[in-house]
Amino acid sequence: QQQVKQSPQSLIVQKGGISIINCAYENTAFDYFPWYQQFPGKGPALLIAIRPDVSEKKEGRFTISFNKSAKQFSLHIMDSQPGDSATYFCAANGRRNQFYFGTGTSLTVIP
Amino acid sequence: DTGVSQDPRHKITKRGQNVTFRCDPISEHNRLYWYRQTLGQGPEFLTYFQNEAQLEKSRLLSDRFSAERPKGSFSTLEIQRTEQGDSAMYLCASSLTQGFYNEQFFGPGTRLTVL
Repeated sequence: QQQVKQSPQSLIVQKGGISIINCAYENTAFDYFPWYQQFPGKGPALLIAIRPDVSEKKEGRFTISFNKSAKQFSLHIMDSQPGDSATYFCAANGRRNQFYFGTGTSLTVIP
Repeated sequence: DTGVSQDPRHKITKRGQNVTFRCDPISEHNRLYWYRQTLGQGPEFLTYFQNEAQLEKSRLLSDRFSAERPKGSFSTLEIQRTEQGDSAMYLCASSLTQGFYNEQFFGPGTRLTVL
């Protein structure tokens, strides 16, 4: 059973455009929602994270939007750049400190 | 480089052999995690340690898998009697218990291929 569902599986965006990746979860015990960026041959790196007491968090070009009632959260990448081309994973964590990752979104930003 | 390191980076083995991977976390981090990642999937939680204590184990961690973290520093993950289905990237991550983010820092992974 997939604890965190992520879409789309792949995404192609023009340089300067907005990339949007969505995730949904079921377990209301989750209280920490990070997004990770992974380049080929590398381990995932934390991009931005949010707790459910806020609806939005912004860091530079990256924004998380969080909808607690819908149990959904999304990553928005503004002004997408070719260097943003990578695989993005959403994740969720609860009190047991087990992290559950989505299946990933392969983002390609076309120059 | 003071990040998480893993050794070896690549391992090719024959079915039925035992393999052992090592992870060296960031020195002041007290939590250490092991994940498995297959192609096109997100990391799957296997187990985690707080200091030397193994606090959680996933159902994915069959009895052929064992992890240790002696003295709360580096950790090893051993797979006995490897099967082709064990072929995957094995990721290690570490974190500190305090702090808002509970940020996990991942190592580069060990890619295991079982022939």
